[in-house]
Amino acid sequence: KQEVTQIPAALSVPEGENLVLNCSFTDSAIYNLQWFRQDPGKGLTSLLLIQSSQREQTSGRLNASLDKSSGRSTLYIAASQPGDSATYLCAVRRRLRGNTGKLIFGQGTTLQVKP
Amino acid sequence: DTGVSQNPRHKITKRGQNVTFRCDPISEHNRLYWYRQTLGQGPEFLTYFQNEAQLEKSRLLSDRFSAERPKGSFSTLEIQRTEQGDSAMYLCASSLTGGYEKLFFGSGTQLSVL
Repeated sequence: KQEVTQIPAALSVPEGENLVLNCSFTDSAIYNLQWFRQDPGKGLTSLLLIQSSQREQTSGRLNASLDKSSGRSTLYIAASQPGDSATYLCAVRRRLRGNTGKLIFGQGTTLQVKP
Repeated sequence: DTGVSQNPRHKITKRGQNVTFRCDPISEHNRLYWYRQTLGQGPEFLTYFQNEAQLEKSRLLSDRFSAERPKGSFSTLEIQRTEQGDSAMYLCASSLTGGYEKLFFGSGTQLSVL
């Protein structure tokens, strides 16, 4: 059974700091991994998607890496801004024989960036 | 492409009442997912459809929950005889198989059972 864990549960940093959010998963047979952002009371916005054959993806100040063999992904945020304050969720999609499965989510890391 | 649309945005109901939520996915997406999220937790999978076929249903989904996607387009999620423990954000998402299968979420329906 696939389990996804995110550490830490909460993080508070001063503006301008670079930071890393961690995601680990127990079953390496994944199709892809997706990072999302969620603002309070809102739905989820997709940030980055990494296919199982890829090592990393970048979008602006965000960089996500994937190490399938160790069951880990990291989301790196450069030069953090108060507008980055949100909950960040990672989710993995299983690879099934002839098909792909559902996304399984971690509990999220709530980030606060202080001005 | 207007994104994934969910209605209503908020629903307040009394315990024991039935409620129904609607989700309109991105038009060309063949997969549609329902998730439930409580405060401080990640979304929990409920069920998903590929076209009109319901491919998987979580054990979390008791007999009081039912979901349909009759023509492979919009979907409804019904909760019968609501309980206070059903209070949560209900999220719908859609994706297209055969490629990256990137998941796009709607804004959710916040259910409060009094």
